[in-house]
Formats: sequence, C-alpha cells, structure tokens
Amino acid sequence: SQQGEEDPQALSIQEGENATMNCSYKTSINNLQWYRQNSGRGLVHLILIRSNEREKHSGRLRVTLDTSKKSSSLLITASRAADTASYFCATDGGSNYKLTFGKGTLLTVNP
Amino acid sequence: NAGVTQTPKFRVLKTGQSMTLLCAQDMNHEYMYWYRQDPGMGLRLIHYSVGEGTTAKGEVPDGYNVSRLKKQNFLLGLESAAPSQTSVYFCASSYLLGAQDTQYFGPGTRLTVL
Repeated sequence: SQQGEEDPQALSIQEGENATMNCSYKTSINNLQWYRQNSGRGLVHLILIRSNEREKHSGRLRVTLDTSKKSSSLLITASRAADTASYFCATDGGSNYKLTFGKGTLLTVNP
Repeated sequence: NAGVTQTPKFRVLKTGQSMTLLCAQDMNHEYMYWYRQDPGMGLRLIHYSVGEGTTAKGEVPDGYNVSRLKKQNFLLGLESAAPSQTSVYFCASSYLLGAQDTQYFGPGTRLTVL
C-alpha cells in the first residue's frame, strides 16, 4: 500500500522557474525523505526531514513538513534543465525498517 | 569508492528460468535492500537484510529468495521466473535501518521475462 503520494504526477516548467512538488501521507511518521531519479538511473537521496522539524534547506532545495496535515513539499528554486527527473517522497509510516515510496512526480525543465 | 553496484544491468529470461542478481556495496553498511520498480507503482520492498547471514521479507517477497553470505553482498534469486517479475530491480544499502537514514541505491537491473 502506498504511504506517500506525490502531487502533481507531472510538472513541466521553464528553466529559471521554481518547481514545487507535494507529498501527502496517511499514517504518523518519524521522518520523511525525498529522492531524485534521473531516467534509467538509480535513486539519489536529496533530503531527510524528521517529524520534529518544519523546514530544511540544501542548496536550491527547500523541504517543508506539516505533520498536522500529513504533508510535505519540495521546492526547487531557479530550476535547470539538469533538474529534469522523477522526484519521490518516502516515509517510514511509523516502521523502523521499511521505507515506503510514493509513485513520484515527473519534473521536466525546458531550456 | 564505487558505492552500490549491481550485475547484470540487463537480462532477458524465459518463463521458468532461474537467475541471480548480485548487489555489492563498499560502504561497510549493515543494512541492504532489494526493491522492484514498476511503471506507476513506485518502489516496493522485496526483501531486506539487517546484517551478514540475516534476511527478512518485505512487501512483495513471493517468488524471490535472498542471501547475505558476506556483509558487502546481497543476492536476489528468482527460482522460476514469471512474466509478472518483469521489472527494474534496485538494490540499496544504509548505515542505519530503514527510514532512519539515507539509502544508497545501485543503478538497477532491467529484467524482462518472456
């Protein structure tokens, strides 16, 4: 069963614009992670945010977490063509062994 | 430092054939995982290992077996392949268990079962 669900399923923007992707989940979590997957490649970890954190930054990435709404967002600022990829949120759903991935958002950044 | 490597990268099997996928990591991680990724389904956990000699079932373990004879290697076996096992398989490893830590992924193995 899916724990995290990303929204939108697909997003197309122009280079230089900001991209925002959202993730909603169903059960309480200890932490939430975001991963990127370029076409035909493995997943690459972007950010881990814990349930007691509200916001985290890494370079051009900003992740927020609202545990009351069971949602998270990933903001990519000043996007580049190289940011074109699928982005997945992953949650623990309260489990200490299992990371459950959503279906992902496909981001296309047009030059 | 190669990280997580997987062999082979591609494989085509006929129904009923068997094969083993090999995952190797050089980060001295205790924890290793096998996932499958299907279109529109996200990643699903098949089996995982919490250390050398130990394995456990994940979300979709049926039709697969695993072994962790050495800390750096995690093998995924298909004894009798079925078309439903056509998928992309990813191996991952981590320092801490499960969701507590970053998981490092291999490049994947694309398997087609005819």
